[in-house]
Amino acid sequence: DAGVTQSPTHLIKTRGQQVTLRCSPKSGHDTVSWYQQALGQGPQFIFQYYEEEERQRGNFPDRFSGHQFPNYSSELNVNALLLGDSALYLCASSFRDRGVNEQFFGPGTRLTVL
Amino acid sequence: GQQVMQIPQYQHVQEGEDFTTYCNSSTTLSNIQWYKQRPGGHPVFLIQLVKSGEVKKQKRLTFQFGEAKKNSSLHITATQTTDVGTYFCAALIRQGAQKLVFGQGTRLTINP
Repeated sequence: DAGVTQSPTHLIKTRGQQVTLRCSPKSGHDTVSWYQQALGQGPQFIFQYYEEEERQRGNFPDRFSGHQFPNYSSELNVNALLLGDSALYLCASSFRDRGVNEQFFGPGTRLTVL
Repeated sequence: GQQVMQIPQYQHVQEGEDFTTYCNSSTTLSNIQWYKQRPGGHPVFLIQLVKSGEVKKQKRLTFQFGEAKKNSSLHITATQTTDVGTYFCAALIRQGAQKLVFGQGTRLTINP
């Protein structure tokens, strides 16, 4: 049973460029959340997708957008990259209606913006 | 918005010593989760606490949720080198969808 997978593992971009990160949730999970983790900080919630719709959004600008596909996989898009967008981007999956809302995190994508 | 404060930021101990990290919120929490992130790794779920005054144990780890549901702690007895990592508390916020609000984490290093 594969856990949460993310691609790519590392990415280097320059300011102003656009990036797409991908996530496949754990088998049986239908909800995907994205988090940004700056170095030495706790993960910050970006948004959550369920039934192919954005259900909740954290304090991130519209440059951050996403998508969820019918197979529950998800993409995170970031436009007009800034130096401050350099971080570890984590995808977490869960099953929406399960009592204990454990989030299973993927290994993350390390984004460096130069 | 909801904030969760965690202390200390760093803790260095000798192997075999105990370790405690504390998590505080200014508002009442419906629940608190704890995660461990090894160096270079990703957060891994440890436990969820829901009830006021709840205490749960996992081998050498003891988790507590305060009576007022505004604070929580994680205590590790007799640390081992495998305990190295950053421990995060996170409040699960249900506002339509669900999101985790993480504390800043406590980074634990151990001298063997």
